[in-house]
Amino acid sequence: AQSVAQPEDQVNVAEGNPLTVKCTYSVSGNPYLFWYVQYPNRGLQFLLKYITGDNLVKGSYGFEAEFNKSQTSFHLKKPSALVSDSALYFCAVRGLASGGSYIPTFGRGTSLIVHP
Amino acid sequence: DAGITQSPRYKITETGRQVTLMCHQTWSHSYMFWYRQDLGHGLRLIYYSAAADITDKGEVPDGYVVSRSKTENFPLTLESATRSQTSVYFCASSGVVGANYGYTFGSGTRLTVV
Repeated sequence: AQSVAQPEDQVNVAEGNPLTVKCTYSVSGNPYLFWYVQYPNRGLQFLLKYITGDNLVKGSYGFEAEFNKSQTSFHLKKPSALVSDSALYFCAVRGLASGGSYIPTFGRGTSLIVHP
Repeated sequence: DAGITQSPRYKITETGRQVTLMCHQTWSHSYMFWYRQDLGHGLRLIYYSAAADITDKGEVPDGYVVSRSKTENFPLTLESATRSQTSVYFCASSGVVGANYGYTFGSGTRLTVV
């Protein structure tokens, strides 16, 4: 079965500094990887995905993620954090379920707090 | 999110009552999912559906029932609500799984069982 680990419950960063939110995964076959963001009292919003191609994936709101196959990681990054980036971030991997369908498995989430 | 709506937005119910959470999507996506979000657990999959009349259990299906008679609707029923089912419930949908924009989520239903 597939799994996702987000080792940090919370990440604190000063506005203007680079940020990294970590994610590692385990899945059989080629990984389909995703990052989502959740603002308070809202549903999850898609940020970016990796399916194939370049290891550096660019997404919404200036975020990017680096796929590293050897380390089975898919860390989310942004060169310069904004206070408005403060939110809950989820990493997800698509994997094959026992019933033969591909389903996403999400990590526990990392709360990003950007300080002014 | 436009295109996938959940209702009600908030619900308070009593222990032992049956309650149904509704999910409707307008994209004709084949896949639909129900997750619950709890502090410390992230998102856990309850049930999913690959197409109309095809449903399957996820990680935490006990106490829940789903149906999918039409592609666009995927209701989640708590047959006899318990306090442990107090949570925020999210519905999601996807076309070709993993393609394009991944999974699209509704705004959630906050359910409180008293």
